[in-house]
Amino acid sequence: NAGVTQTPKFQVLKTGQSMTLQCAQDMNHNSMYWYRQDPGMGLRLIYYSASEGTTDKGEVPNGYNVSRLNKREFSLRLESAAPSQTSVYFCASTRGGMRQETQYFGPGTRLLVL
Amino acid sequence: SQQGEEDPQALSIQEGENATMNCSYKTSINNLQWYRQNSGRGLVHLILIRSNEREKHSGRLRVTLDTSKKSSSLLITASRAADTASYFCATGEFNKFYFGSGTKLNVKP
Repeated sequence: NAGVTQTPKFQVLKTGQSMTLQCAQDMNHNSMYWYRQDPGMGLRLIYYSASEGTTDKGEVPNGYNVSRLNKREFSLRLESAAPSQTSVYFCASTRGGMRQETQYFGPGTRLLVL
Repeated sequence: SQQGEEDPQALSIQEGENATMNCSYKTSINNLQWYRQNSGRGLVHLILIRSNEREKHSGRLRVTLDTSKKSSSLLITASRAADTASYFCATGEFNKFYFGSGTKLNVKP
């Protein structure tokens, strides 16, 4: 039982390049989330998927797209990376529903955009 | 913003002392959660307190919730060097969660 896994762990991009961050969970959770964390800051929600087949914007969705590929996987795509997107990206999952249960986090992807 | 806000931003104590950090939020909640983040790692869930609960304990952790003041506190008793980390509160609205900027706790051996 690996929990929440993320790939890659670290990535360097040049401005304008694109990439996809991958996230998978093996806990049969319904809801999945993508956050970014800038130095010395808390987490800001980029996108979330309350259940398979649905996605919604969070606080900071501009410059990102997501795909809920199936119940296990939720990917985050940067179509044209900008230096302002340099951050640590965390994926999380919960059982879902209205009671906002415990979130389980992946180890993070450190992204540097030059 | 609906984010929880932690206070203080940083706290430095000696091993064995108690550490108290506070969280204030703006909207009504179903529950409030506390998470720990060790440097360079993901967040780990510590404790969840529901809106109809006033106090909850888990090992050396004690959490209180005052919904009338929209505030919560996390107390870590008999702190250890291994408790050095950042602590975040999180509040939820439907399927979304909002995190504060955290309290950075340093426990000196």
